[in-house]
Amino acid sequence: RKEVEQDPGPFNVPEGATVAFNCTYSNSASQSFFWYRQDCRKEPKLLMSVYSSGNEDGRFTAQLNRASQYISLLIRDSKLSDSATYLCVVNTGGGNKLTFGTGTQLKVEL
Amino acid sequence: DAGITQSPRYKITETGRQVTLMCHQTWSHSYMFWYRQDLGHGLRLIYYSAAADITDKGEVSDGYVVSRSKTENFPLTLESATRSQTSVYFCASTGHLNEKLFFGSGTQLSVL
Repeated sequence: RKEVEQDPGPFNVPEGATVAFNCTYSNSASQSFFWYRQDCRKEPKLLMSVYSSGNEDGRFTAQLNRASQYISLLIRDSKLSDSATYLCVVNTGGGNKLTFGTGTQLKVEL
Repeated sequence: DAGITQSPRYKITETGRQVTLMCHQTWSHSYMFWYRQDLGHGLRLIYYSAAADITDKGEVSDGYVVSRSKTENFPLTLESATRSQTSVYFCASTGHLNEKLFFGSGTQLSVL
């Protein structure tokens, strides 16, 4: 089983839609979780960290489910500019590694 | 985020040659990482380092060597380049594993 897994998509959604991505991780001892955004194979940029209690930043909400070992990202009121690849990142392997999922591609259409 | 730089930006080399990709950060971050990105695989970890003189293998370390004699530098060497090592390489650093990763702009490597 891969350490971090994501559905690669693509997710094609109309503007204004709500879309959710999940990311599962295998190491129950993992402590740090993040969502990154990547545009056109440029360097990834931090979208948000994921906290145990869940957190929200504008239209974006991140959740952590430790029991089922997954994190989620919810995007409300999708914009064309949200089109990108969304990468989940988890610290694994005793705490010094940061492992990326393969990414989920989102395409927001008119 | 100009504090982490990678060089070269683009590199074309031939099979069998040794290639070194450079990564330099100015924040004195403890942790540094090398990833490669290929279509369908996302970013895969090649090597990482928790501090100077401490390095560990990631999931795709075969054919690569790293060193970390100084905190700010983390060069990645392909000892004998193969076509399968054609990829985009990203270096990243962070001060703490629960904080943001800072990425370099990437090196696009083609092995002919």
